[in-house]
Amino acid sequence: QVQLQESGPGLVKPSETLSLTCIVSGYSISSGYFWGWIRQPPGMGLEWIGGIYDGGGTYYNPSLKSRLTISLDTSNQFSLQLRSVTAADTAVYYCARVGGYCSGINCPDSYFDPWGQGTPVTVSS
Amino acid sequence: QSVLTQPPSVSAAPGQKVTVSCSGSTSNIAINYVSWYQQLPGTAPKLLIYDNNQRPSGIPDRFSGSKSGTSATLGITGLQTGDEADYYCGTWDSSLSHVVFGGGTKLTVL
Repeated sequence: QVQLQESGPGLVKPSETLSLTCIVSGYSISSGYFWGWIRQPPGMGLEWIGGIYDGGGTYYNPSLKSRLTISLDTSNQFSLQLRSVTAADTAVYYCARVGGYCSGINCPDSYFDPWGQGTPVTVSS
Repeated sequence: QSVLTQPPSVSAAPGQKVTVSCSGSTSNIAINYVSWYQQLPGTAPKLLIYDNNQRPSGIPDRFSGSKSGTSATLGITGLQTGDEADYYCGTWDSSLSHVVFGGGTKLTVL
């Protein structure tokens, strides 16, 4: 059974870098699939952040691309770095395994299963 | 404002059927696969439907999905109080080059 668990600081100061890690158990991320991040601001809906393939290829939300890096780490985990954060980046951050497929710059079949439990991040001084 | 449009809320009595609509455009729903998620209060979203109408293992057949043109629909039959949750649709937008979600629909089982 695949399980994902986010970890990282719950509080980040404005203009600093938010760093989160997703630890995967029950499946080797080097064996395939696409691994992604989604966030949910307080009381609001879901926003796709981006994802990374087992081979290291990445897909980013264009609105975040200039501040974003998603990478594969050792020990079966992947991470997110979001630079120059503001209060608008305050949200619950989820990691998830992404099913479906991508072709070129498009991912016509993208669905998220399973999800981590989420980690709340507040951007405040 | 979300790229995909969902009604903010729907409601129905226990045992009844409800549908949740998700309206998009020719650059997203019309040409890409739709998925649906259930988010119970205080928990992470859970996949209910993928590839427009496929249910993952463990999801009861009370939940169904369909798509026609630029719209998709989630159906739930035999409503239970435990179905009270927020429901989100999602798909890829080929013009925006990223996954887009609906704003979510809150289901109340009266």
